[in-house]
Amino acid sequence: EPEVTQTPSHQVTQMGQEVILRCVPISNHLYFYWYRQILGQKVEFLVSFYNNEISEKSEIFDDQFSVERPDGSNFTLKIRSTKLEDSAMYFCASSPQTGIGGELFFGEGSRLTVL
Amino acid sequence: SQQGEEDPQALSIQEGENATMNCSYKTSINNLQWYRQNSGRGLVHLILIRSNEREKHSGRLRVTLDTSKKSSSLLITASRAADTASYFCATVLIQGAQKLVFGQGTRLTINP
Repeated sequence: EPEVTQTPSHQVTQMGQEVILRCVPISNHLYFYWYRQILGQKVEFLVSFYNNEISEKSEIFDDQFSVERPDGSNFTLKIRSTKLEDSAMYFCASSPQTGIGGELFFGEGSRLTVL
Repeated sequence: SQQGEEDPQALSIQEGENATMNCSYKTSINNLQWYRQNSGRGLVHLILIRSNEREKHSGRLRVTLDTSKKSSSLLITASRAADTASYFCATVLIQGAQKLVFGQGTRLTINP
């Protein structure tokens, strides 16, 4: 069964360093997302991406964050200068849906630890 | 207050019993979805109910939606130890395009 894959599963970085989290969405999906979950808290929306551009982003997704789909298969989240509070599990998701909100398919997540 | 709040926050029952989790939300929705998350893992979609639907079934899962009360419930019948996980409701707002807004989740423990 097709699945969303994410790498790395766990990354430890120093504060101020750049981090790139990678995702391979399901191949025929059209919408791509990043969510994050700080330990013990709820899952928070970061950004949605459709037709090679950001369709929606949250207040969390500030200038330190960027997304890219460089080659038609990978979907990346870059954090330019990490802060301690960026420590969280980052989930990539994709959806085949056009129109308003269908089921999302999530990856297993990338755990980011900022020291 | 937040869109999508579940109660209880934690629920512990014996295997074989039914588990009911509730979700309330604030603004009008296009649909409501329930997801499951095993500890430290990704989210798995369980069921989607549209705003014009009142009840939906999938295997041992039963979801209800009351748009007048802005609430939903997830019932898991004949629970199994493997049902132990966190369960989240997530809403798609009418104005909210594609994104899901998640609640805090209910941590369900099934005791063998």
